[in-house]
Amino acid sequence: GQQLNQSPQSMFIQEGEDVSMNCTSSSIFNTWLWYKQDPGEGPVLLIALYKAGELTSNGRLTAQFGITRKDSFLNISASIPSDVGIYFCAGPVAGNQFYFGTGTSLTVIP
Amino acid sequence: IAGITQAPTSQILAAGRRMTLRCTQDMRHNAMYWYRQDLGLGLRLIHYSNTAGTTGKGEVPDGYSVSRANTDDFPLTLASAVPSQTSVYFCASSATRAGTDTQYFGPGTRLTVL
Repeated sequence: GQQLNQSPQSMFIQEGEDVSMNCTSSSIFNTWLWYKQDPGEGPVLLIALYKAGELTSNGRLTAQFGITRKDSFLNISASIPSDVGIYFCAGPVAGNQFYFGTGTSLTVIP
Repeated sequence: IAGITQAPTSQILAAGRRMTLRCTQDMRHNAMYWYRQDLGLGLRLIHYSNTAGTTGKGEVPDGYSVSRANTDDFPLTLASAVPSQTSVYFCASSATRAGTDTQYFGPGTRLTVL
């Protein structure tokens, strides 16, 4: 089935640094979602994007819906220890059925 | 507010045994979902239900069955567990079937099949 490729797979950064990650697909999507999963918990929605070129922020997080509709980017500014977790992108198969990316694991070193 | 609860938290199961993972939500959401999460593969949709009384197959439905007798509960059954079903299972719900509705996830069930 469809697989969304996320890059990088893992990141180790110093507290205070900015973070960038991306997600690419072989198919065109009309929605992109970004989730964060804390260790031992279920994913939580961070940002939803519905329009090509859209740039949306949620606090220190900013996500962009790529112009080609085949990619999306998530940036975290001034990282803090609680940013640790796995970040997933997701795009719709149809309606409310989503494919999830393979995840980017983020470690923030205090 | 409980949101979504899953039970058990974790389970070790012998291959060939039957197992039902429970999921309950108290948000009166119409749509519910079951995903499995495996290292390197992200989350994959197993089955979904857009409203009580209806179910549908997701990306990886083989070996699993679901039922949706009422709005709140969406159990996932493994009729005869196999080691490849070792995974972390997440239940989720959304207000409606609209792709724009946020899916809320439960805490997960860690299942090991030996």
